[in-house]
Amino acid sequence: GAVVSQHPSWVICKSGTSVKIECRSLDFQATTMFWYRQFPKQSLMLMATSNEGSKATYEQGVEKDKFLINHASLTLSTLTVTSAHPEDSSFYICSLQGGRGFGTEAFFGQGTRLTVV
Amino acid sequence: AQSVTQLGSHVSVSEGALVLLRCNYSSSVPPYLFWYVQYPNQGLQLLLKYTTGATLVKGINGFEAEFKKSETSFHLTKPSAHMSDAAEYFCAVLYSGGGADGLTFGKGTHLIIQP
Repeated sequence: GAVVSQHPSWVICKSGTSVKIECRSLDFQATTMFWYRQFPKQSLMLMATSNEGSKATYEQGVEKDKFLINHASLTLSTLTVTSAHPEDSSFYICSLQGGRGFGTEAFFGQGTRLTVV
Repeated sequence: AQSVTQLGSHVSVSEGALVLLRCNYSSSVPPYLFWYVQYPNQGLQLLLKYTTGATLVKGINGFEAEFKKSETSFHLTKPSAHMSDAAEYFCAVLYSGGGADGLTFGKGTHLIIQP
């Protein structure tokens, strides 16, 4: 299957700073990537759909100005948490997934544990 | 709208016993169904999936699941639990009629294996 590399695996930052998380598709050209957030002992919640070369689509309740997504190439999508606050502390996971005609399996990155202090 | 319900946030079984993790879904169209396993501080690993065809699906690590349309269920089973099976398990559904959509996950079931 496809290999998805997510970096960093964990990060601690001060409140008010910004953090960038990278999601790379190592062997698959991903026109679409997805960003999920997982709070402790909870399920994954889809945050946004990252489309190569166009604006990301955000789920209801997710602030697009706070969670900046850039998908400039077929192998890289980035999520930037701007002006991070402690409530943004979470586990962030990216995935790439085929749409119609490309299969249904989703391949996940290793996740990034963000702690805002 | 689609949703996934996993009954039981925690399931505890003895090593060697049957594992049964329940998943029910709601979807207005035939869904694609998935089971993922997550170990602490790691991403998700696909155990198995159902798209079309045979309703009994075999996955990795001895797990299998059966799609029952009449019951809108996709329960995960394993005949004999192993200590290494202790993890968080997520059932997920994907709308099969559209383009690229994110998965909708259940809340997860923490599987505990008793020695």
